[in-house]
Amino acid sequence: NAGVTQTPKFRVLKTGQSMTLLCAQDMNHEYMYWYRQDPGMGLRLIHYSVGEGTTAKGEVPDGYNVSRLKKQNFLLGLESAAPSQTSVYFCASNSVGSPLGTDTQYFGPGTRLTVL
Amino acid sequence: AQSVTQLDSHVSVSEGTPVLLRCNYSSSYSPSLFWYVQHPNKGLQLLLKYTSAATLVKGINGFEAEFKKSETSFHLTKPSAHMSDAAEYFCVVSGTDSWGKLQFGAGTQVVVTP
Repeated sequence: NAGVTQTPKFRVLKTGQSMTLLCAQDMNHEYMYWYRQDPGMGLRLIHYSVGEGTTAKGEVPDGYNVSRLKKQNFLLGLESAAPSQTSVYFCASNSVGSPLGTDTQYFGPGTRLTVL
Repeated sequence: AQSVTQLDSHVSVSEGTPVLLRCNYSSSYSPSLFWYVQHPNKGLQLLLKYTSAATLVKGINGFEAEFKKSETSFHLTKPSAHMSDAAEYFCVVSGTDSWGKLQFGAGTQVVVTP
């Protein structure tokens, strides 16, 4: 049971390049999330998904797209990278709780992205 | 809407002395509250969570937190700091209407000196 894994761990891009970050979970969780972490700002939600085939915007969605074609995978795309997207990206997942919001969210190890 | 304010961005303690990390929250609903820890260049680990059961919550590694509705606070404490407690700590809130989405505080960096 690997939990939540992220690929790649590190990446350097030039401004305007594109890339996709992959998140995978083997816990059969319905909900998945992408966050970015910047110094002094905690983690901020980019996009999330409440099930296969669904996605929704979080707090800071601009410049990112996501897809959830399979329940276990959640992809985060940057179509045209900008230096402001330099950050550490975390993926997370949790199960459908009762009541909602009480279940533990499990985090991946993070992807450190630098955009030059 | 919900939000979290961590009152200290940095806390420095001596090994063996108590640790107090302060957190105030704002929520329109009965919140679920969490404390996560992040060691340098690592992912996030859950320390403890409050989900409307006992107001005093015990977590891992000797940490505990008390939910005080009247003060809208959820402060984290540990009686005796260890060098391994040096890390960044996040207070987090989630509401029952929020599809499990978490709202993070800005974080408190804890330094432990010998």
